[in-house]
Amino acid sequence: NAGVTQTPKFQVLKTGQSMTLQCAQDMNHNSMYWYRQDPGMGLRLIYYSASEGTTDKGEVPNGYNVSRLNKREFSLRLESAAPSQTSVYFCASSVSGTGVTEAFFGQGTRLTVV
Amino acid sequence: KQEVTQIPAALSVPEGENLVLNCSFTDSAIYNLQWFRQDPGKGLTSLLLIQSSQREQTSGRLNASLDKSSGRSTLYIAASQPGDSATYLCAGTTGGGNKLTFGTGTQLKVEL
Repeated sequence: NAGVTQTPKFQVLKTGQSMTLQCAQDMNHNSMYWYRQDPGMGLRLIYYSASEGTTDKGEVPNGYNVSRLNKREFSLRLESAAPSQTSVYFCASSVSGTGVTEAFFGQGTRLTVV
Repeated sequence: KQEVTQIPAALSVPEGENLVLNCSFTDSAIYNLQWFRQDPGKGLTSLLLIQSSQREQTSGRLNASLDKSSGRSTLYIAASQPGDSATYLCAGTTGGGNKLTFGTGTQLKVEL
């Protein structure tokens, strides 16, 4: 029972490089999310996708793009990495709509931009 | 904008003690409230979800309550154990949406 799987787990980038963080869930959830976690600031929402084919900005979207490839997969792309994007990135998924909306998280991607 | 505050930021207790972690939010239109546990270097593990129509949830030694009128949620841990040492995060959704707003967490250490 994999749940939410993120790849890679660790990554070091040079300033200006690009990369894509991958996320896949096997729980048939409609909604998927990307958060970043920084010391003292908690988790902040970068982008989310309420359903396949839709994406929306969260609290801190600048410098990122996302793609909801299908119902299972939601990727996060850094086009030109900056040191300020050094963080731990978490992907999450949940059932959309009202009612039970329990969110499940992946194990995180630890990204360092030098 | 919903803001979530967790007090205290850090807590150290001896094994066996009962303890309460606090979570407060500014927007009383909170819909669902979820408590998570995060171990160092790991992801978030869902502990308890309090749905909009509920006031509390229990799982084993954990009990979470939600009081929308006062803008507060508490996580009660009974008979704490060293294995409970972790950071505990609360997060809420507002107005029926699914986006979670997180608090900054309480770092708990249970000592032998």
